[in-house]
Amino acid sequence: AQKVTQAQTEISVVEKEDVTLDCVYETRDTTYYLFWYKQPPSGELVFLIRRNSFDEQNEISGRYSWNFQKSTSSFNFTITASQVVDSAVYFCALLNNAGNMLTFGGGTRLMVKP
Amino acid sequence: GAGVSQTPSNKVTEKGKYVELRCDPISGHTALYWYRQSLGQGPEFLIYFQGTGAADDSGLPNDRFFAVRPEGSVSTLKIQRTERGDSAVYLCASSLTMTGDTEAFFGQGTRLTVV
Repeated sequence: AQKVTQAQTEISVVEKEDVTLDCVYETRDTTYYLFWYKQPPSGELVFLIRRNSFDEQNEISGRYSWNFQKSTSSFNFTITASQVVDSAVYFCALLNNAGNMLTFGGGTRLMVKP
Repeated sequence: GAGVSQTPSNKVTEKGKYVELRCDPISGHTALYWYRQSLGQGPEFLIYFQGTGAADDSGLPNDRFFAVRPEGSVSTLKIQRTERGDSAVYLCASSLTMTGDTEAFFGQGTRLTVV
């Protein structure tokens, strides 16, 4: 069985602070994919990043960066210099080897205050 | 449209009634997924279609839930004898193929409220 844990249910920061959202996963598959999605108040899930289990290189995209540590089964997401528009619920998700099922974490609600 | 379209956006129904939720995937996407998101939780997998067939329906909670995709495009999620516990946002997603190296695009969901 697969499991994704996002221990932080809610985080509040002041604009321009850096913030890291934690994600820990469990799977027996040797090949899998990890994802981060953003869910703004409108409700639509917006894709942010996909990472293959064989690629442990960290990735940076603008103010966003991701740290994949296979040894600790973690895939953490950092927002640098946060902005009010970053306020949303963020979900980490794991795609199984068969590719047919995404398992989501419970989400972290990020509130960025001006 | 360019994205995944779900209708209706909101549905209020009485306990015991039958409802249908529709999903129009992105044109050309062969894989289609249904998820259910309860308040304050992450989406939970319900069913997956590859083409017209339900390749995996292991997430459907019970036999009151059924989904079809007769022509390999539009899908309908059907819920019989609705219960208050069925209240949630039902999300549909589609992707070009069923592999991890293609992105799944989500619709905005149908918020179902059973009163």
